Amino acid sequence: EVQLVQSGGGLVQPGGSLRLSCAASGFTFTNYAMHWVRQAPGKGLEYVSAVSGDGSSPYYANSVKGRFTISRDNSKNTLYLQMGSLRAEDMAVYYCAARYCGGGNCLTAFDIWGQGAMVSVSS
Amino acid sequence: EIVMTQSPASLSVSPGERATLSCRASQSVRSNLAWYQHKPGQAPRLLIYDASTRATGIPARFSGSGSGTEFTLTISSLQSEDFALYYCQQYNDWYTFGQGTKLEI
Repeated sequence: EVQLVQSGGGLVQPGGSLRLSCAASGFTFTNYAMHWVRQAPGKGLEYVSAVSGDGSSPYYANSVKGRFTISRDNSKNTLYLQMGSLRAEDMAVYYCAARYCGGGNCLTAFDIWGQGAMVSVSS
Repeated sequence: EIVMTQSPASLSVSPGERATLSCRASQSVRSNLAWYQHKPGQAPRLLIYDASTRATGIPARFSGSGSGTEFTLTISSLQSEDFALYYCQQYNDWYTFGQGTKLEI
């Protein structure tokens, strides 16, 4: 079964750190660029970060640049998001998502999603 | 950054009727446009990519059209399970989402 299973959400104090994980199964992980998308309470979807299939070329939205680090371990078929200097406005459900980018061509869009992980930022 | 603007913010439609949702890009995204359905407590689901191609398993009542800066998602003959939030997303220049349209009964 094709799936992304997330873990690592929780409550953290402002200024703190948290790492999210996203374990892939059922597909060739290295053929997919991986992404993080978040939804704050009562808000729409916000694009956060991306990493290519080989782990190079990370991309960050301006709102998280310098505070978040995306990475992947292709030997474990797992994506990570290391979040630091967390702020109240980072509180959201974080989703990982996958887009097929095999052979240097990216196709479709985000067709595989994780179940989401809640990150709460509060003192 | 390309800004995606969806309209209307919410739309009330009766089951069996047609719904038309719009999405406008601040600059051309060619046909690099996707639509997602999002229900509370669930992950978003890809409906349409490349502006008009249905994703695997998506019913034929969902259709997308447009290119450049103007796009439309049409849902013909609404079913009860179609009432949800809908987002457009451009992937021509990195990625940005619209703010969403809430489709209500």
